[in-house]
Amino acid sequence: NAGVTQTPKFRILKIGQSMTLQCTQDMNHNYMYWYRQDPGMGLKLIYYSVGAGITDKGEVPNGYNVSRSTTEDFPLRLELAAPSQTSVYFCASSLSAGYHNSPLHFGNGTRLTVT
Amino acid sequence: DAKTTQPNSMESNEEEPVHLPCNHSTISGTDYIHWYRQLPSQGPEYVIHGLTSNVNNRMASLAIAEDRKSSTLILHRATLRDAAVYYCIRITGGGNKLTFGTGTQLKVEL
Repeated sequence: NAGVTQTPKFRILKIGQSMTLQCTQDMNHNYMYWYRQDPGMGLKLIYYSVGAGITDKGEVPNGYNVSRSTTEDFPLRLELAAPSQTSVYFCASSLSAGYHNSPLHFGNGTRLTVT
Repeated sequence: DAKTTQPNSMESNEEEPVHLPCNHSTISGTDYIHWYRQLPSQGPEYVIHGLTSNVNNRMASLAIAEDRKSSTLILHRATLRDAAVYYCIRITGGGNKLTFGTGTQLKVEL
């Protein structure tokens, strides 16, 4: 049982480059989330999805885009990388919304550096 | 305001119980309290959650105050592997937007 899988684990980008952070889950979860975590800080929600074809902005969506064409996959796109996007990115999923009996399952993160 | 308040850090000795406090004074009647922990270089891991009653599972216990304005995560016997950042999260509204604060850094010593 793989759970939530993120790729790549590490990436260095130059300013202005673009990339896609991949996230896939094999638990048939409806809800998926993208968080970023800056050094010494808590997690901030970037985007989330309540099901295939439905996405919505979180707390810090600027500079990012997402899509949800399947239940399993929820890629995060950076179009014009900036140094402020240097962070660790975590993808998570849950069977339903958090207030139900369904905890979040996190991947192990993608460490991104923009120089 | 969906924020919770936790101490920045706490220390414990191995094999001793640890009580991690969390203040959520503006909580409403339908808000759940969830706890997660994050080990170094890993994603957060679910620990426990509750609404009104105290809860126990294999990892920890959660004690919720009668007025629900605070809660305490209890690790009954701390081990070195429990050294992590512990996040107390209040699930509000539709529950779609979970807000993580800076959590409590737990240090466990021999």
